Amino acid sequence: EADIYQTPRYLVIGTGKKITLECSQTMGHDKMYWYQQDPGMELHLIHYSYGVNSTEKGDLSSESTVSRIRTEHFPLTLESARPSHTSQYLCASRGARGSREQYFGPGTRLTVT
Amino acid sequence: QKEVEQNSGPLSVPEGAIASLNCTYSDRGSQSFFWYRQYSGKSPELIMSIYSNGDKEDGRFTAQLNKASQYVSLLIRDSQPSDSATYLCAVNMGSGGSNYKLTFGKGTLLTVNP
Repeated sequence: EADIYQTPRYLVIGTGKKITLECSQTMGHDKMYWYQQDPGMELHLIHYSYGVNSTEKGDLSSESTVSRIRTEHFPLTLESARPSHTSQYLCASRGARGSREQYFGPGTRLTVT
Repeated sequence: QKEVEQNSGPLSVPEGAIASLNCTYSDRGSQSFFWYRQYSGKSPELIMSIYSNGDKEDGRFTAQLNKASQYVSLLIRDSQPSDSATYLCAVNMGSGGSNYKLTFGKGTLLTVNP
């Protein structure tokens, strides 16, 4: 099982602010993912990375951006938050070749007022 | 479009009963299958993975895979109220070994009544 950390766990912020949601893992996993999930709704993949300097957009279009400068760190940034960005953001990671299991962090619940 | 379908639910069972959760997937070449449990307001927790046809048991949980029928299920024996959660089926689609994304179903809400 992976140790995946997300900060902050809860964030209430005003419209127009710049936000960075942090995600880090200590297992050296090369594959990392960001999902967005509204309460009671399905998971949507918004970004993923298969290694350092590799990032791709997911299945759901998102105004957020990501970076992967270090293996253990995969932050998500919103340049100008809007109420429509209110959601839960979940980070996940998966191990190297031969390891198929994907584990989730605890999530960040974002509210934009 | 590659899809994962789950029985829509909600599913309600009495305490001590067997809960059966079902999932079908569209990509015949899929190789890896997972069940996650998600409590309300929490993140998904991996509870079972299965890669070969047949049954895989872990405590009160049994995952069943039938690749020919493109069907995977999760049985929960001796259901407890603490099992009440949404169960997500996830499939790693594609046979090429280069797809590392999971496709998730919409989830089935299970309620175990005391």
